[in-house]
Amino acid sequence: EAGVAQSPRYKIIEKRQSVAFWCNPISGHATLYWYQQILGQGPKLLIQFQNNGVVDDSQLPKDRFSAERLKGVDSTLKIQPAKLEDSAVYLCASSLDPGQANIQYFGAGTRLSVL
Amino acid sequence: LAKTTQPISMDSYEGQEVNITCSHNNIATNDYITWYQQFPSQGPRFIIQGYKTKVTNEVASLFIPADRKSSTLSLPRVSLSDTAVYYCLVGEAGANNLFFGTGTRLTVIP
Repeated sequence: EAGVAQSPRYKIIEKRQSVAFWCNPISGHATLYWYQQILGQGPKLLIQFQNNGVVDDSQLPKDRFSAERLKGVDSTLKIQPAKLEDSAVYLCASSLDPGQANIQYFGAGTRLSVL
Repeated sequence: LAKTTQPISMDSYEGQEVNITCSHNNIATNDYITWYQQFPSQGPRFIIQGYKTKVTNEVASLFIPADRKSSTLSLPRVSLSDTAVYYCLVGEAGANNLFFGTGTRLTVIP
């Protein structure tokens, strides 16, 4: 079974530039999550989708971050414009159904460096 | 979400059994205890989940006392490849917002 795919693995940009990350969850997983993991900390949830609808985006900085999952499968997370403090690993995860939301499958992440 | 407390770091020699304890004094009736493992440059990986008593799988065992205010993840005979950060999470099975905390950094020494 293929895991959660993310691209790119690494991205370096200058502050105020834009960047986008892509995620393809495990086939059949209805729930998709984006996390931000700052060095030395645990992952922090940014947004959760159930199919193509947003379930929770309470911790997403909406003035600069946006995410979509138009067809209920893959998803993109965008930052525009980026700030220095956005340097982190952005992780995508998926889970099979809402009843097992505490068992999530993570991708390898995208490491973003903002200079 | 119940708050969890676990050691920041632990060291162990290869071949030893490692026990990582997590405190969760405010655990609710419907909460499960879930452990994740994270290797460098990888996303977290689900290891084990339990509600009470003992759960064992091919990777680890999870011991939960009757009051459920703590839990212990047991890794038998660790190897260098078990060096990772281990996160203890507490929440309902359908909980959306997993709170990872800072985890326990386990270093296995040759």
